[in-house]
Amino acid sequence: QKEVEQNSGPLSVPEGAIASLNCTYSDRGSQSFFWYRQYSGKSPELIMFIYSNGDKEDGRFTAQLNKASQYVSLLIRDSQPSDSATYLCAAHTSGGSYIPTFGRGTSLIVHP
Amino acid sequence: EAGVAQSPRYKIIEKRQSVAFWCNPISGHATLYWYQQILGQGPKLLIQFQNNGVVDDSQLPKDRFSAERLKGVDSTLKIQPAKLEDSAVYLCASSSLDSSYNSPLHFGNGTRLTVT
Repeated sequence: QKEVEQNSGPLSVPEGAIASLNCTYSDRGSQSFFWYRQYSGKSPELIMFIYSNGDKEDGRFTAQLNKASQYVSLLIRDSQPSDSATYLCAAHTSGGSYIPTFGRGTSLIVHP
Repeated sequence: EAGVAQSPRYKIIEKRQSVAFWCNPISGHATLYWYQQILGQGPKLLIQFQNNGVVDDSQLPKDRFSAERLKGVDSTLKIQPAKLEDSAVYLCASSSLDSSYNSPLHFGNGTRLTVT
């Protein structure tokens, strides 16, 4: 059973702070990892993805991957109230084709 | 480009009734997914198609759920008969590049199903 684990939160941070969201996965065959943001009542939308060990930066967002520890994280710098949402981590695992498995998501609240 | 289209947006039915959802993926996207998202949980994959073949349907409750993707484009998901625990948002998504490891999913607006 492929599992992707996330703390459901809520994670509460003040405006301007760094928010750190974490995700672990059980299947070592997972090859790539995606972070999606989901506003209440809306569908998930892609933030960024990572497939190599290390850091990947995109604007205020940094994804970090450590395959040895089976750990993925997303850092949001200079958090804004508009970043308040649920953040979903997804792992793509190869079984012939790549099958995405989602975690339950972490709720982030950025307060002014 | 036009996004993933889903209909209906909302549906309310009584238990034991049947319901069908429709999805039209982004043009040219080979892979189509149906996810079930219960309130407070992450999306759970029900079925994944590549073109018109099934890649994974291990979590699809096949005694009541069925899905098809005719001609490798549009897809329908059906529930018959519905149970109370089927109340959820049903998300359709598509991806390009034949489900390459770095292909993100593009989601439709979802269908919110309420079973009473």
